[in-house]
Amino acid sequence: AQKVTQAQTEISVVEKEDVTLDCVYETRDTTYYLFWYKQPPSGELVFLIRRNSFDEQNEISGRYSWNFQKSTSSFNFTITASQVVDSAVYFCALSEAPGSNYQLIWGAGTKLIIKP
Amino acid sequence: NAGVTQTPKFQVLKTGQSMTLQCAQDMNHEYMSWYRQDPGMGLRLIHYSVGAGITDQGEVPNGYNVSRSTTEDFPLRLLSAAPSQTSVYFCASSYTPFGGKEEAFFGQGTRLTVV
Repeated sequence: AQKVTQAQTEISVVEKEDVTLDCVYETRDTTYYLFWYKQPPSGELVFLIRRNSFDEQNEISGRYSWNFQKSTSSFNFTITASQVVDSAVYFCALSEAPGSNYQLIWGAGTKLIIKP
Repeated sequence: NAGVTQTPKFQVLKTGQSMTLQCAQDMNHEYMSWYRQDPGMGLRLIHYSVGAGITDQGEVPNGYNVSRSTTEDFPLRLLSAAPSQTSVYFCASSYTPFGGKEEAFFGQGTRLTVV
């Protein structure tokens, strides 16, 4: 069965430190999609990235980067030079295609606290 | 661009009361869904719809009803509220099912407390 594990419940770092949020997934499908969403204190959910299982290239977007490794079933998220505005809960999610009706399976989230 | 609009933002219900959470999107998305978010857990799918007139159950459908009479609207009905339904509810929409080419857009959430 599909599953997403975010083992880090809460991480606290000082501003400007780099921080990595871990995401480990389980799936039996060869075709699947992985996502990261951000939930700031205001509560809305903000899409960050989607990656399909056939694209193992790492992605960088400004201070954000993602490391997708199929060999370890991980899709980790790194914030470089963290800022207070990065404080939020971050969710990793998995979608299998097509048999699961594309339901998103969510991890429990990692609360990231950036101290000034 | 309104995106996905959920109302109300906050609601307190007494056990046994019924209510409808409203969700509307103006992006002409076919796929809409309702999730609940509980502390320490990821979002869990309640119901979803792949188009007007078509709905299906997700992971935790008990106690909830949905209908999809138009592309724009996807209301969630609580038939007889229970304290276990205290949660934050999110409505989401996307042009294609999750796993397609489009990201999901979420509403602001409804914080529901059942006393």
